[in-house]
Amino acid sequence: AQKVTQAQTEISVVEKEDVTLDCVYETRDTTYYLFWYKQPPSGELVFLIRRNSFDEQNEISGRYSWNFQKSTSSFNFTITASQVVDSAVYFCALSGYSGTYKYIFGTGTRLKVLA
Amino acid sequence: GAVVSQHPSWVICKSGTSVKIECRSLDFQATTMFWYRQFPKQSLMLMATSNEGSKATYEQGVEKDKFLINHASLTLSTLTVTSAHPEDSSFYICSARAARDNEQFFGPGTRLTVL
Repeated sequence: AQKVTQAQTEISVVEKEDVTLDCVYETRDTTYYLFWYKQPPSGELVFLIRRNSFDEQNEISGRYSWNFQKSTSSFNFTITASQVVDSAVYFCALSGYSGTYKYIFGTGTRLKVLA
Repeated sequence: GAVVSQHPSWVICKSGTSVKIECRSLDFQATTMFWYRQFPKQSLMLMATSNEGSKATYEQGVEKDKFLINHASLTLSTLTVTSAHPEDSSFYICSARAARDNEQFFGPGTRLTVL
């Protein structure tokens, strides 16, 4: 069975602090994809990143960075120098290679960045 | 990039009426469309998967007679909530996948309120 765990329900930080959102996944597939999405109060999901299981390189995009470690089945997301506009719910998702292309979403982490 | 629209963005209806939500892929052909439901402060839960020209596959616990899904073309899927009740009030999100890729592109969501 596939599963995504985001153990942090809610995190509050002060602006300019760095914050890491954890994501741990379970899958028996050897080929799979991992995603991060941002959901601001408007509700629309904003795509942040997709990573396939064969690419363990860490990625940096501006203030965002992702650490993918297959050894620990984790795909953590770090925001550097957080800003108030980063306040949102962040979801990690997993898509296996079973042919159904379904996404399994984690429960989400609500990030509050305080001014 | 791939764009998915939903209409309406919000709807309020009386208990017992039916509501139809449209999901369109604007710049690509969607082989598969997915429908999710999200209750407040919860994650996205997959309701059903629909392939163009085929019957939808519903997730366990989702009433197929209550949530009618039609995927009549490669750019349009509709979700009809029949005989809606207040407990059906939720945020409904669709996504679409092209044949060439396993990535889902999400619509902006439809907020349904049943009085």
